[in-house]
Amino acid sequence: QKEVEQNSGPLSVPEGAIASLNCTYSDRGSQSFFWYRQYSGKSPELIMSIYSNGDKEDGRFTAQLNKASQYVSLLIRDSQPSDSATYLCAVNRDNYGQNFVFGPGTRLSVLP
Amino acid sequence: DAGVIQSPRHEVTEMGQEVTLRCKPISGHNSLFWYRQTMMRGLELLIYFNNNVPIDDSGMPEDRFSAKMPNASFSTLKIQPSEPRDSAVYFCASINRVGETQYFGPGTRLLVL
Repeated sequence: QKEVEQNSGPLSVPEGAIASLNCTYSDRGSQSFFWYRQYSGKSPELIMSIYSNGDKEDGRFTAQLNKASQYVSLLIRDSQPSDSATYLCAVNRDNYGQNFVFGPGTRLSVLP
Repeated sequence: DAGVIQSPRHEVTEMGQEVTLRCKPISGHNSLFWYRQTMMRGLELLIYFNNNVPIDDSGMPEDRFSAKMPNASFSTLKIQPSEPRDSAVYFCASINRVGETQYFGPGTRLLVL
């Protein structure tokens, strides 16, 4: 079992719809969770970070964490074509927040 | 702030040659990470430094790979000898404090023929 798993996609949603991206992780001791967006040919950039169970909202983005189920999700409301990218889930494995494991990424396509 | 700087941005070399990738972290950041990204394996952590000291190099694929951080503003990742399977995008990232986000450099696209 891989440490961090994501559906590879592609996930296609129409413009204006909600995109739902999911991530599961295997290490119960994981402390911090991150969603990165990566455009083709570019470097990853942070979208959201979440540390506690529940929801965290930032504009059109909502991250959800359920440590009991070892599950993290990212919701993108009112999806725009500019949201089309690969979304990487990252988990830090230790208390120092420096040992990151990335999932394989989910490719999102928002159709105009 | 200039962000994380990597050089070269593109490198094409022949199998058996030595390759050196360079990274300048964001000023004041005390942790530096080297990653490799391929279609098959995704984004893999190779090694990270804290205050210039290598903390975890378990991701370094084999002895052909080595990394150094002689000071707080410079790190290198060296591959000697290079092989075609080393072809990938190599990213450097830095972080300010524990738990904060990583900032990635633009990456070096390496092609080994």
